[in-house]
Amino acid sequence: AQKITQTQPGMFVQEKEAVTLDCTYDTSDQSYGLFWYKQPSSGEMIFLIYQGSYDEQNATEGRYSLNFQKARKSANLVISASQLGDSAMYFCAMREGFPGNQFYFGTGTSLTVIP
Amino acid sequence: NAGVTQTPKFRILKIGQSMTLQCTQDMNHNYMYWYRQDPGMGLKLIYYSVGAGITDKGEVPNGYNVSRSTTEDFPLRLELAAPSQTSVYFCASTKQGEGKNIQYFGAGTRLSVL
Repeated sequence: AQKITQTQPGMFVQEKEAVTLDCTYDTSDQSYGLFWYKQPSSGEMIFLIYQGSYDEQNATEGRYSLNFQKARKSANLVISASQLGDSAMYFCAMREGFPGNQFYFGTGTSLTVIP
Repeated sequence: NAGVTQTPKFRILKIGQSMTLQCTQDMNHNYMYWYRQDPGMGLKLIYYSVGAGITDKGEVPNGYNVSRSTTEDFPLRLELAAPSQTSVYFCASTKQGEGKNIQYFGAGTRLSVL
């Protein structure tokens, strides 16, 4: 079974609108971490946001928030007020277990922001 | 702030050639990782290291070797390059024990094996 599933290969959003990128995960561990990374066309991997499995509050970092639904094993990324510079690939990732040596990445979602 | 530095940025190899992808970090991170990213795919873990002298296999280790003689450096060796190893390679590091274990990535090495 896939550890991380991103079911949206491509998404479009109007500038200044909000968009949700879906991510579901599969683990039997109690302790794990969930991450979102942005990969612009230049290729680098940029960390966006982190959610720990024991965190009760949803993580927020500026315009990024993570909608964490533990029972559903989902960790959706919400980008508010989309900007043209948000056009990129977005990857969901999971660090499993403790001390968490293994990381798993999804196949990514390509987001295009339309002016 | 150098962070994680990978060299070279691009390389073309012939089948059967060998090469070493270099990775160095200046953040005093104990954990380091090598990933490959095939076109249209996510990252797959090749090898990782939890400290100098300690390495372990990830999801796709075949055809690769690593060593970790210092905290800063984690080179990846391809001994007999094959077309299936055409990919973009990312090195990453993290400070184990800080809680979040955020991975910081290098800029990547784009490798073509022809």
